[in-house]
Amino acid sequence: QVQLVQSGAEVKKPGSSVKVSCKASGDTFSRYIISWVRQAPGQGFEWMGRIIPIFGTTNYAQNFQGRVTITADESTSTAYMELSSLRSDDTAIYYCAREGETAAAGTFVYWGQGTLVTGSS
Amino acid sequence: DIQMTQSPSSLSASAGDRVTITCRASQSISSYLNWYQQKSGRAPKLLIYAASSLQSGVPSRFTGSGSGTEFTLTISSLQPEDFATYYCQQSYSTPFTFGGGTKVEIK
Repeated sequence: QVQLVQSGAEVKKPGSSVKVSCKASGDTFSRYIISWVRQAPGQGFEWMGRIIPIFGTTNYAQNFQGRVTITADESTSTAYMELSSLRSDDTAIYYCAREGETAAAGTFVYWGQGTLVTGSS
Repeated sequence: DIQMTQSPSSLSASAGDRVTITCRASQSISSYLNWYQQKSGRAPKLLIYAASSLQSGVPSRFTGSGSGTEFTLTISSLQPEDFATYYCQQSYSTPFTFGGGTKVEIK
């Protein structure tokens, strides 16, 4: 079955960058769009952006434009999300999620387990 | 951006109760509406996609309805494992946006 396994928790100083990985298994990696979504403590969800691995094309939310970079390595079936210029309000659980096929694009069918990123001096 | 508004933000119910959660979009999103369940400390789980299609493996007591700007998620007979927080999400256009969530608690 499809599994998305993310890298472990990170503690980062304000102003630094963090890079979270998401390794996929159980299906053809490059066929499906991978999105990144975050959830601040006790809060709802915020979509950050997505990548189509087979083309390498990306689409970012305006709120994160210029600070987030999403990449994918087809050879290892791994997607990455890098967030720069970290602030304390970037403290959140970051999830990768695989979207459905064409008609269900934008539907988050499979989720990683989440990675807690804490911004703290 | 499309704003998604859920109501209520929380509710208390007993096992066996019928529960309905509403989600409203700030503009028409056709049927591009999904529902997720999140239990404490866990990743969300897709329940309903395209407003009314049941995701594989999800019990039939969960139903979704609506189109345009108003949608509902109904749990026909609440089970102990259904106590969780539920979120709607629009997949009509980026940036994809979520409702604020509805926490279903035990009465």
